[in-house]
Amino acid sequence: EDQVTQSPEALRLQEGESSSLNCSYTVSGLRGLFWYRQDPGKGPEFLFTLYSAGEEKEKERLKATLTKKESFLHITAPKPEDSATYLCAVQAVRTSGTYKYIFGTGTRLKVLA
Amino acid sequence: NAGVTQTPKFQVLKTGQSMTLQCAQDMNHEYMSWYRQDPGMGLRLIHYSVGAGITDQGEVPNGYNVSRSTTEDFPLRLLSAAPSQTSVYFCASSYRVYNEQFFGPGTRLTVL
Repeated sequence: EDQVTQSPEALRLQEGESSSLNCSYTVSGLRGLFWYRQDPGKGPEFLFTLYSAGEEKEKERLKATLTKKESFLHITAPKPEDSATYLCAVQAVRTSGTYKYIFGTGTRLKVLA
Repeated sequence: NAGVTQTPKFQVLKTGQSMTLQCAQDMNHEYMSWYRQDPGMGLRLIHYSVGAGITDQGEVPNGYNVSRSTTEDFPLRLLSAAPSQTSVYFCASSYRVYNEQFFGPGTRLTVL
C-alpha cells in the first residue's frame, strides 16, 4: 500500500538550533516529491520539488534532499518565522497512467526566540 | 494575479442540506483539485480535473460532485451534507498535473 510517513509529528527548536524533518515513503511509480509549508488557517505553500535520488534544493534556511526511500528537510539556524507545519507529498503514476498524490500528516515546527 | 480563490471561508450546514464550494484560479492552470484536511490525517484528494470538461474521482469522492465548464472555475458540490463531511476544504491548481500545486485559503465547513 502506498504510504507517506513524516517524523517527528512535532518539533520545538530554539532559534539558531538546526535540525532535520523526515519524510519516508513507499510508493510505486514515483514521479516527484513535494515539500509544502502550511501556516495556521491557511493553505499549503509550495517550497520544493525533488525528482530523483541524490537531488538537493535550497531556499534561504531550508534544504531538501531525496533518497530512494526518504526525503529530508534540513533547517539551518531557524528563526521564529519558520514556525509552521511542513507537509511532504509524493506524486506517483498509476498503472492506468493517471497521477496520484499522497500527502503525509506533516511536522509541526515551533521555533522559540 | 489573485491566484486561487475560494468562497465561502466558513460555512455551517445542517445534515441533509446541499451547498456548493466555489473555487477559481486566474493563472490559466490546466489541473485543478479538491482536498479535505482532517486532524491527524494528510490532505486527501476528493476530485480532480485535468482540463475543462474532464473530471475524475480521487481518494474520497463519495458525497461530492464536481464539474469543470471553464478553465478558471472548479466548484465542489455537497449533495446531502453529513457530519462526517465536517472538515477544511482546499482547492488547488497547477499548470500541468505533474507541476507543483497552488492552494487556496480553504473553506472551513461544519455539518451539524
